[in-house]
Amino acid sequence: GAVVSQHPSRVICKSGTSVKIECRSLDFQATTMFWYRQFPKQSLMLMATSNEGSKATYEQGVEKDKFLINHASLTLSTLTVTSAHPEDSSFYICSAAGNTEAFFGQGTRLTVV
Amino acid sequence: DAKTTQPPSMDCAEGRAANLPCNHSTISGNEYVYWYRQIHSQGPQYIIHGLKNNETNEMASLIITEDRKSSTLILPHATLRDTAVYYCIVRVDNYGQNFVFGPGTRLSVLP
Repeated sequence: GAVVSQHPSRVICKSGTSVKIECRSLDFQATTMFWYRQFPKQSLMLMATSNEGSKATYEQGVEKDKFLINHASLTLSTLTVTSAHPEDSSFYICSAAGNTEAFFGQGTRLTVV
Repeated sequence: DAKTTQPPSMDCAEGRAANLPCNHSTISGNEYVYWYRQIHSQGPQYIIHGLKNNETNEMASLIITEDRKSSTLILPHATLRDTAVYYCIVRVDNYGQNFVFGPGTRLSVLP
């Protein structure tokens, strides 16, 4: 199947700093990418839908100014967690839409200390 | 998208078949049944999907009842590496539509 690469896989940052997470579709072009967040022992929750060349669509309760999404090319979407706080510590997962199924990245475990 | 119901957890002996049920009684005619799994601390992995016919691939088989209100994912010979959370999702097959994840079934394959 198609490959989606997410980087970094793990990051620890200080409270108040910003962290950028990259999501690349390696062997196909993804017009649409999704960003999910997963807290311990919970399921994935959609944060936003990212469309190449246009503004991302955020789910209710997700602050667009805190979670900046850029999808400037058909193979790359980035999520920047700005002014991170300990409550932002979570597992962030990107996904690229294929013709029928979606392909997921390996996830990024963010720990804010 | 229609809602699904899965048992929260199941155990299976290594080498035996794992049969994971999913109820989707409100599924619409144009909604597919998808299965993904998530091994600990990894992103979800696609397993299989189908509309109404049974499907089989190198990973698993998907059995959908005739009324389409339920389905079963079958892992024919479970291994320890199949221990994961398995998600059953029903979804219209539209490009660009996200997947909505429920709590899934935590499958533990025991030696």
